[in-house]
Amino acid sequence: GAVVSQHPSRVICKSGTSVKIECRSLDFQATTMFWYRQFPKQSLMLMATSNEGSKATYEQGVEKDKFLINHASLTLSTLTVTSAHPEDSSFYICSARDRTGIHYEQYFGPGTRLTVT
Amino acid sequence: AQKITQTQPGMFVQEKEAVTLDCTYDTSDQSYGLFWYKQPSSGEMIFLIYQGSYDEQNATEGRYSLNFQKARKSANLVISASQLGDSAMYFCAMREFSGGSYIPTFGRGTSLIVHP
Repeated sequence: GAVVSQHPSRVICKSGTSVKIECRSLDFQATTMFWYRQFPKQSLMLMATSNEGSKATYEQGVEKDKFLINHASLTLSTLTVTSAHPEDSSFYICSARDRTGIHYEQYFGPGTRLTVT
Repeated sequence: AQKITQTQPGMFVQEKEAVTLDCTYDTSDQSYGLFWYKQPSSGEMIFLIYQGSYDEQNATEGRYSLNFQKARKSANLVISASQLGDSAMYFCAMREFSGGSYIPTFGRGTSLIVHP
């Protein structure tokens, strides 16, 4: 099946610094990528939808200036958490849709655990 | 209002028995899709099964089947012959066709523990 990678898998950073998380579709082209946030023992909350070559669409309550999303190519989307604070500590998961695949298929990355100290 | 409701925060099942995980949904769209994902402790989301709103037959994938009752807006997951490796969080999700884009929404999840 299609593979989505995320890098890094874990990151610890100091409060006030920025962190970039990469999401790559390894063997398919992804016109749409989704970024989720998951707190321990809770559901995935959609943060934003990014389409290649256009601005991301953010969900209500998600600060677009804090969570910068760039979808520069059909295989790469990045999420940058700017001026991170401890409350940004979470599990971030990306997923991607294959532009040529079955319409409903959505492939998930393995997630990135961010800890802000 | 919650679009996806999973009322069972935790479920226990004996190995080799069947278990049903509940999911109800709320949508006014005619075209939508329902999904179940498994999330083991490692964190990755594993796709299990899909049911389209226009599919007349219940979806099946190996030991997984989806009991789709459209009028009741329910999409329960049935796992037959449970295995120890089935212990994980299970999420029901829905994708609605809204304004030309597919917007996925997840339920709160059900933690399944399979006892030997």
